[in-house]
Amino acid sequence: QQPVQSPQAVILREGEDAVINCSSSKALYSVHWYRQKHGEAPVFLMILLKGGEQKGHEKISASFNEKKQQSSLYLTASQLSYSGTYFCGTPPRGAGSYQLTFGKGTKLSVIP
Amino acid sequence: NAGVTQTPKFQVLKTGQSMTLQCAQDMNHEYMSWYRQDPGMGLRLIHYSVGAGITDQGEVPNGYNVSRSTTEDFPLRLLSAAPSQTSVYFCASSYLQSISYNEQFFGPGTRLTVL
Repeated sequence: QQPVQSPQAVILREGEDAVINCSSSKALYSVHWYRQKHGEAPVFLMILLKGGEQKGHEKISASFNEKKQQSSLYLTASQLSYSGTYFCGTPPRGAGSYQLTFGKGTKLSVIP
Repeated sequence: NAGVTQTPKFQVLKTGQSMTLQCAQDMNHEYMSWYRQDPGMGLRLIHYSVGAGITDQGEVPNGYNVSRSTTEDFPLRLLSAAPSQTSVYFCASSYLQSISYNEQFFGPGTRLTVL
């Protein structure tokens, strides 16, 4: 079942903060975050695992609330380069799953 | 390393035609997958493979075939193209350990239009 992302779109001025949420009706084992710039491929941001472990390449802050079955991505002091569509993905069958189900995305636009 | 490569970048087909979208990776990843992306729908998994000779269906497999004869290549075949298959197709690869735990590397995509 597809995770639900909110908001669908957000417009920020440079330097402002934003929070993107990803929630699931099923228990979450992990949440994956990707960013896709217009006309490009999705690029990995981070994975948050049950138990608190995080794995990522960028200095992006995120949280994973197992009880609420929700993850949030925190974009602080936004830069123009943060613009793009953010997707969260979750393994539908938990640990050992070979599939990811992605949300519909949150479009973030950062303006000068 | 080239990473994940896809060909062609753009393709226009007529209804009923068949074609193969190519995907290759040079990172020795066991796991490879195909997604389609439609406006407002996110990324939907078509097929995936956990190694040479092993493939399985994802969320939206109908109308598509795959095979995996080598670790490097994972072609996607459209048997009889339909307008509903107009989409952007992304190939991705990852280390197998567990897709739940590992990042996927995406190719640049193939934009397919079926008339």
